[in-house]
Amino acid sequence: DSGVTQTPKHLITATGQRVTLRCSPRSGDLSVYWYQQSLDQGLQFLIQYYNGEERAKGNILERFSAQQFPDLHSELNLSSLELGDSALYFCASSHRTSGGFEHYNEQFFGPGTRLTVL
Amino acid sequence: ELKVEQNPLFLSMQEGKNYTIYCNYSTTSDRLYWYRQDPGKSLESLFVLLSNGAVKQEGRLMASLDTKARLSTLHITAAVHDLSATYFCAVVPNNNDMRFGAGTRLTVKP
Repeated sequence: DSGVTQTPKHLITATGQRVTLRCSPRSGDLSVYWYQQSLDQGLQFLIQYYNGEERAKGNILERFSAQQFPDLHSELNLSSLELGDSALYFCASSHRTSGGFEHYNEQFFGPGTRLTVL
Repeated sequence: ELKVEQNPLFLSMQEGKNYTIYCNYSTTSDRLYWYRQDPGKSLESLFVLLSNGAVKQEGRLMASLDTKARLSTLHITAAVHDLSATYFCAVVPNNNDMRFGAGTRLTVKP
């Protein structure tokens, strides 16, 4: 158990709908990352938040948005869903305020949310 | 543009055999990570390699790092079925965000 939690575990919805995925980082971690993993695209970095502020953007579509709240949990919002958005969505956390240099950038992954768009 | 290339992408091997997975990266990174992912599951951290010449071993897996060649290897010794999984390497260029390779899908057959 990495200490990162994600809800829900599974989500089935229809095209055109909007969903929200939630992530709670490990206690003390300041950064939250969102990844999309599909069979044909591999592991794609979407976006990173550090202590409430957006820090880096990857291949995130304009229909997708995220935020990190003062308690450091994060939400990923996916709107106008398309069939191609069906994937595993992972959250990871890092940058713990305490602990050694070795693991500072190491990302710990949550169990993922499997999104199916019908 | 940063590239993290793993080789091979697919590997089928027999139990008891040895093999090496390679990870090449195109920019400076002072550390490298290896992760394991079982089908439909999350990524699990295996190794953190922090310096040139670093070598770490855990059971039948041994990872090494050559920062000058920008190359890491993951060596599998006497493979067993339980090692079947996808293995990812990841680098941290310029202390920025982790970037992953495409993954090597390993299948160990009896």
